Amino acid sequence: GDSVTQMEGPVTLSEEAFLTINCTYTATGYPSLFWYVQYPGEGLQLLLKATKADDKGSNKGFEATYRKETTSFHLEKGSVQVSDSAVYFCALSQKTSYDKVIFGPGTSLSVIP
Amino acid sequence: ETGVTQSPTHLIKTRGQQVTLRCSSQSGHNTVSWYQQALGQGPQFIFQYYREEENGRGNFPPRFSGLQFPNYSSELNVNALELDDSALYLCASSFMEAGSGNTIYFGEGSWLTVV
Repeated sequence: GDSVTQMEGPVTLSEEAFLTINCTYTATGYPSLFWYVQYPGEGLQLLLKATKADDKGSNKGFEATYRKETTSFHLEKGSVQVSDSAVYFCALSQKTSYDKVIFGPGTSLSVIP
Repeated sequence: ETGVTQSPTHLIKTRGQQVTLRCSSQSGHNTVSWYQQALGQGPQFIFQYYREEENGRGNFPPRFSGLQFPNYSSELNVNALELDDSALYLCASSFMEAGSGNTIYFGEGSWLTVV
């Protein structure tokens, strides 16, 4: 079945450091890919998405490119802030009759001043 | 702010009891789904409702059931609660369009503790 794998955390970075969180997926066809973020004690927020190969999703300085050839969707940010501390989930959704989203296990990010 | 609201935010139940969680979808959305997120894990799909019918289900037993109402609000019911049911329950809504991986928007969740 379809699945999502993320780099294990926790990840600790200093403010203004470069962030990469690796994400790879296993799926048939061409799923849509997402990054969701969960701040402490809160629900999930959609960070960015890409719906076809070579699409780049971007939001709030974060970017991820849909790479079909490597089945990857790595999340990057050039300069992280303390406020970026959260858990990041990579996810996919197939174009089926219903919107089931499959999530990775999440990567916890802590940014220290 | 996604416009998806859930209640209650926190609750504690005893093993064997039943619980009902509620969700109001974002305006304009016609589909609601429920996810279970255990501590330290990613959310797991429970089921989805479209036009008041269940149209997709994950690997959850029948004691997990739901309803969608004409105004697109929804309930998640869990019978015979077990300790492992302790989790954050997330409601999500979307607008179902044919042929697309629709984006879903989550509420803040309901924290359920079973003791």
